[in-house]
Amino acid sequence: SQQGEEDPQALSIQEGENATMNCSYKTSINNLQWYRQNSGRGLVHLILIRSNEREKHSGRLRVTLDTSKKSSSLLITASRAADTASYFCATDEGANFGNEKLTFGTGTRLTIIP
Amino acid sequence: DVKVTQSSRYLVKRTGEKVFLECVQDMDHENMFWYRQDPGLGLRLIYFSYDVKMKEKGDIPEGYSVSREKKERFSLILESASTNQTSMYLCASSGHGTGVNQPQHFGDGTRLSIL
Repeated sequence: SQQGEEDPQALSIQEGENATMNCSYKTSINNLQWYRQNSGRGLVHLILIRSNEREKHSGRLRVTLDTSKKSSSLLITASRAADTASYFCATDEGANFGNEKLTFGTGTRLTIIP
Repeated sequence: DVKVTQSSRYLVKRTGEKVFLECVQDMDHENMFWYRQDPGLGLRLIYFSYDVKMKEKGDIPEGYSVSREKKERFSLILESASTNQTSMYLCASSGHGTGVNQPQHFGDGTRLSIL
C-alpha cells in the first residue's frame, strides 16, 4: 500500500524560482526520506529526516517534517534546469527494529523552465 | 560510491516465458529490494531480502519469486510472464541501520516488455 503521497503531482517553474513539494503519510514513522529520479534512471537518495527532527538542510534543499500533521515538505531553492526530475518521499513502517522496508509515494514531476 | 547494476536496461519477452532479472551490488549491503514502477502508481515493493537465502514478500509478490544465493546478487524471477507484468523494474540495496533506515541505492532499472 502507498503510504507517502506527494502533492502536487506535477509542477513547472521558471529557473531561479523556488520549488516546494509536499508529502503526506498515514501512520507513525521513524524517518522520512526524499529521493530524486531523472528520466529513465534509478532513484537517488537526497536527504533523510528523523521523526524527532523538524527541519534539515542539504545545499539548496530544505526538508521539514511535521509529525502532528503527518506531512513533510521539500524545498529546492534557486532552481536549475538540472533539477528537472521526479521527486519521491519514502517512509518506513515505524515498526520492527531493523526493518529496512520503505514505502514510496507516487512522486512529483518537477519541470524547470530555462 | 555504491554501485547497483541491473543486467539489462531493456528486455522483451513473450507471454508464458520464465524471465530472470539480475541485480548485483558492490557495497556488501545486507538488504536488497525489487520494485516495479508504473505511471501513476509510483514504486511498489515486490520482494526484499535482508540476508543471504532470506526473503520477505512485499506489497505485490504474486507472479514473482526471488533468489539470493550470494550476498551481492538478488534475482527476480517471473515464473510465467504475463502482459500485465510489463513495467520498469528497479533493484535497490541498503546497509543495516541502527534503528533508522539507511538510504537505498538504486540501479538504473530494467524496462521489461511482455508481448
